[in-house]
Amino acid sequence: QKEVEQDPGPLSVPEGAIVSLNCTYSNSAFQYFMWYRQYSRKGPELLMYTYSSGNKEDGRFTAQVDKSSKYISLFIRDSQPSDSATYLCALKAGSGNTPLVFGKGTRLSVIA
Amino acid sequence: DGGITQSPKYLFRKEGQNVTLSCEQNLNHDAMYWYRQDPGQGLRLIYYSQIVNDFQKGDIAEGYSVSREKKESFPLTVTSAQKNPTAFYLCASSTLQGMIGALYFGAGTRLSVL
Repeated sequence: QKEVEQDPGPLSVPEGAIVSLNCTYSNSAFQYFMWYRQYSRKGPELLMYTYSSGNKEDGRFTAQVDKSSKYISLFIRDSQPSDSATYLCALKAGSGNTPLVFGKGTRLSVIA
Repeated sequence: DGGITQSPKYLFRKEGQNVTLSCEQNLNHDAMYWYRQDPGQGLRLIYYSQIVNDFQKGDIAEGYSVSREKKESFPLTVTSAQKNPTAFYLCASSTLQGMIGALYFGAGTRLSVL
């Protein structure tokens, strides 16, 4: 079993829809959880950062972490065509200087 | 503006040739990283460095080499031993304080084989 599993999609939704993106993980040592957005042919940019179970909201984006189920989600409300990108989850263990472990990314298209 | 600068944006390599990808940051970050991205493969870690003059191999270090002589710079050399170098290469940096583990990426270098 891979450390981090993420459905690659592609996921296609109409403009204004609520989007749910998910990752599951197997290593209970992960304590820091991030979501990155990557536009085509660009570097990923940090979208959300959290280190505890529960919800964190930033504008139209909500990151949710359920450590008991080893499940993290990113919700996008009122999705826009400009949200069309690949979304990668990234997790880090709490101890030591271990690098991030990335999911493979989900490609999202929001259709106007 | 603070950030990470990768150059060149596009690079072509002839068979048997070594090529070097540049990465410079002015964020005063201690740690720097190189990732390779292939379609459907996600991001794979090549090398990373926590401090100057020290670096560690990632998951796919074979055929690559790095140096870290200055805090701001972390160049990656793709050697002739790397038989399948065509990919999108991303450099990143992170601070060891604050948002632990959060990476900040450059715009990437796309390497192709002639």
